[in-house]
Amino acid sequence: QKEVEQNSGPLSVPEGAIASLNCTYSDRGSQSFFWYRQYSGKSPELIMFIYSNGDKEDGRFTAQLNKASQYVSLLIRDSQPSDSATYLCAVTGTASKLTFGTGTRLQVTL
Amino acid sequence: GEEVAQTPKHLVRGEGQKAKLYCAPIKGHSYVFWYQQVLKNEFKFLISFQNENVFDETGMPKERFSAKCLPNSPCSLEIQATKLEDSAVYFCASSLRDRLNEKLFFGSGTQLSVL
Repeated sequence: QKEVEQNSGPLSVPEGAIASLNCTYSDRGSQSFFWYRQYSGKSPELIMFIYSNGDKEDGRFTAQLNKASQYVSLLIRDSQPSDSATYLCAVTGTASKLTFGTGTRLQVTL
Repeated sequence: GEEVAQTPKHLVRGEGQKAKLYCAPIKGHSYVFWYQQVLKNEFKFLISFQNENVFDETGMPKERFSAKCLPNSPCSLEIQATKLEDSAVYFCASSLRDRLNEKLFFGSGTQLSVL
């Protein structure tokens, strides 16, 4: 079992819809959870981080964390073509090492 | 500087040659991380530093890979006797001292092609 798992996609959503990206992790003692966005050929950039159970909202982005289910998600409301990218889930485990998932490719269609 | 600076952007090596990559973290950031991304997929952790000290090297292939972060110099990642499978983008990232792994800031990466 991989430490951080994501569906590779592509996830295709129409413009204006809600995109829902999911991530599960295996280390029950994980402490910090991050979502990075990576455009093709570019470096990852941090868009959201969450430490506590529940929801955290920032503009059109909402991160959701459920530690009991070892599940973290990212919702993107009013999806735009410029949101088309690969979204990487990253988790800091008990060894304080940041581990990335393989990413989910999101395509927002016109 | 205000961004993580990686050089060179592209590096081409023949199999068996040495490759050396450089990274200057954001000024004031105490932690430096090296990741390897193969074929735009999984980010593989290689090594991290806290200032000039190795913090975690569990991801490093010990035989051919080495890394340093010396005072007043860019950090470096060196691959001796490169192999075809070393072809990847190598990303460096830095973060603040306050909380480990909080908000990694990535450089633009070095594309290593081993022919």
